[in-house]
Amino acid sequence: SSELTQDPAVSVALGQTVRITCQGDSLRTTYASWYQQKPGQAPVLLIYTQNNRPSGIPDRFSGSTSGDTAFLTIAGARAEDEADYYCRSRDSSGNHLMFGGGTKLTVL
Amino acid sequence: QVHLVQSGAEVKKPGASVKVSCKASGYSFSSYYMHWVRQAPGQGLEWMGRINPSSGNIYFGQKFQGRVTMTTDTSINTAYLELTRLQSDDTAVYYCATLTAGVYPGDEWGQGTLVTVSS
Repeated sequence: SSELTQDPAVSVALGQTVRITCQGDSLRTTYASWYQQKPGQAPVLLIYTQNNRPSGIPDRFSGSTSGDTAFLTIAGARAEDEADYYCRSRDSSGNHLMFGGGTKLTVL
Repeated sequence: QVHLVQSGAEVKKPGASVKVSCKASGYSFSSYYMHWVRQAPGQGLEWMGRINPSSGNIYFGQKFQGRVTMTTDTSINTAYLELTRLQSDDTAVYYCATLTAGVYPGDEWGQGTLVTVSS
């Protein structure tokens, strides 16, 4: 399969931990990256190669994989974490990228 | 510092073509793929394809083969995306991006170019 499936919406109480999922066959053999996107802005990379963070990304954000599912975990959710989150991976050939449909995170 | 600066918003009629530019600076433009990603209003990110500026080799996302052209001009460090036979559902923000997470030049995105297709 060349698709990545995400839950359309997830909510979390302020200060709690939330896990956002991304499911796809490609994740059995390739790592996921994760992006955060706020309205009117370009996406920002949070996690790459499963659980690496670019400089400046807080360690509240972490990534993991189990089987065909990748997870983005946000510990101690803050109001500023309210955004859309996208996973990204590549197909089995390695030549085509794909994004998940996105998850809208609401912080209550 | 790596920067990708895109051309301004466009309004086009159905059936027309549009060409979006992306000028890169702060890294060796010819050495890294340039990707194009689009986002329709209220929708998710959609990978369109990538081009190797040095060789011109291109990989397209499946739905974009045939209507999309990607080119580069290495003399001015600029990538171009041309979309022909525009339809209303091509209305979107189009981004160029390096997508080299973890290695230089990093995961950098242009500011996006809004293309509106309307009669």
